[in-house]
Amino acid sequence: QQQVKQSPQSLIVQKGGISIINCAYENTAFDYFPWYQQFPGKGPALLIAIRPDVSEKKEGRFTISFNKSAKQFSLHIMDSQPGDSATYFCAASRAGGGNKLTFGTGTQLKVEL
Amino acid sequence: EAGVAQSPRYKIIEKRQSVAFWCNPISGHATLYWYQQILGQGPKLLIQFQNNGVVDDSQLPKDRFSAERLKGVDSTLKIQPAKLEDSAVYLCASSPTAGRYGYTFGSGTRLTVV
Repeated sequence: QQQVKQSPQSLIVQKGGISIINCAYENTAFDYFPWYQQFPGKGPALLIAIRPDVSEKKEGRFTISFNKSAKQFSLHIMDSQPGDSATYFCAASRAGGGNKLTFGTGTQLKVEL
Repeated sequence: EAGVAQSPRYKIIEKRQSVAFWCNPISGHATLYWYQQILGQGPKLLIQFQNNGVVDDSQLPKDRFSAERLKGVDSTLKIQPAKLEDSAVYLCASSPTAGRYGYTFGSGTRLTVV
C-alpha cells in the first residue's frame, strides 16, 4: 500500500514537444506529491509539488495534474528542451509519516534536437 | 547557502568488508535522512534523524547497517559486513524541520561491492 507506480520507464521527446510522466498510488493517506529531477551524478532536486486539494499546479513549463478519485498524478513538461534530459521521480508522503518520501521507480527522459 | 555535503563520492570494496559514509547537512537543518538508491530504482529511506534522535529506522537492515548523528549535525552511515546487493548510491538529505518542505539532497556516495 506504500507503493508509488511510475510510467513510462523511459521517454524520448523531440525538442519543443510535451513530455508526460504518470504516477499512481494506493495509500489514500498520502497528501503531498512532489516531483524530483535528477541529473547523472547528482542528488534529486525538487521540481514541483502538489497537495490533493487542487487538481493542477503550474510552474513555468512544468505542470502537475492530480486526479484524487483515480489516485493518479502526472507531470507535463511543455516545450521540452535538451536541458530537461534527466531522470524524473514522482514521490508521495503523508502527514504523520515523519516526512518520509516514497518514490516511484523513475523515468529517464531524453529530449532530442 | 551551502548544500548537503557527502563524502566520499565513490567507494569500491570487496564483499564482507566494512565502509562508512559521511554527511554534513545544511546548517540549521534539524532533520537528516539517509536514502539508498539502487540502480534503476527510486530512493528508499533507510533512516531519519530529528536532531540527534532516530525518528524512523524501520527499513534499515540493522544486522549490517548502522548510523549515528552526533551533536545533531554531521552523520555517518556504516555497513559491516557489506554484501553485493548493497551496491547503490547512498543519498543524504536534510530539511529544516520534520515538515515537508526544504528537503535538499546531497550528490550521494556511489558504493560498488565486488
